[in-house]
Amino acid sequence: QKEVEQDPGPLSVPEGAIVSLNCTYSNSAFQYFMWYRQYSRKGPELLMYTYSSGNKEDGRFTAQVDKSSKYISLFIRDSQPSDSATYLCAMSGAGGTSYGKLTFGQGTILTVHP
Amino acid sequence: GAGVSQTPSNKVTEKGKYVELRCDPISGHTALYWYRQSLGQGPEFLIYFQGTGAADDSGLPNDRFFAVRPEGSVSTLKIQRTERGDSAVYLCASSTGGVADTQYFGPGTRLTVL
Repeated sequence: QKEVEQDPGPLSVPEGAIVSLNCTYSNSAFQYFMWYRQYSRKGPELLMYTYSSGNKEDGRFTAQVDKSSKYISLFIRDSQPSDSATYLCAMSGAGGTSYGKLTFGQGTILTVHP
Repeated sequence: GAGVSQTPSNKVTEKGKYVELRCDPISGHTALYWYRQSLGQGPEFLIYFQGTGAADDSGLPNDRFFAVRPEGSVSTLKIQRTERGDSAVYLCASSTGGVADTQYFGPGTRLTVL
């Protein structure tokens, strides 16, 4: 079993929809939780970053972390065709060199159609 | 400013050959990371440098893989006796080196082993 599980989709939604993306994990040492967006043939770019449990909002994006359930989510409101990409969750530990190592989910392919 | 650059963007080689992949991090970034992304998967950690030294090389799959960063800036990932299973996109990222700081990814090198 992988340390981080993410539904690969693909997910197809109409423009303006609310999108929910999720990951579960098994390593209780993870303290930092991130969402990256990756366009085709590009490197991942950081969207949201959360430390420990809680919610964080940035414009149309909201990240949630529930450490008790080992479950993280990314919500996208008023989705746009430009949001079409692969969304990757990533996590790292807090101690020593472990925070340098990101563990990624498989990625969810999202398509927002006009 | 300039982002992380990787060369070559594409590399096609034959089974058994030796390849070198180069990463130029963002200027001033002390931490440098290598990941490997297979088709339809999230990036998988390979090695992490803090300055010139490898702080964590636990992700290198076997002794055919080796990475260096002799002057604490540019890094080279070296793969000996390539195998078809090494075909993937090799991603490099850099960061300022703080706790859970943002990793900025390059566009990757697409390696194909025939």
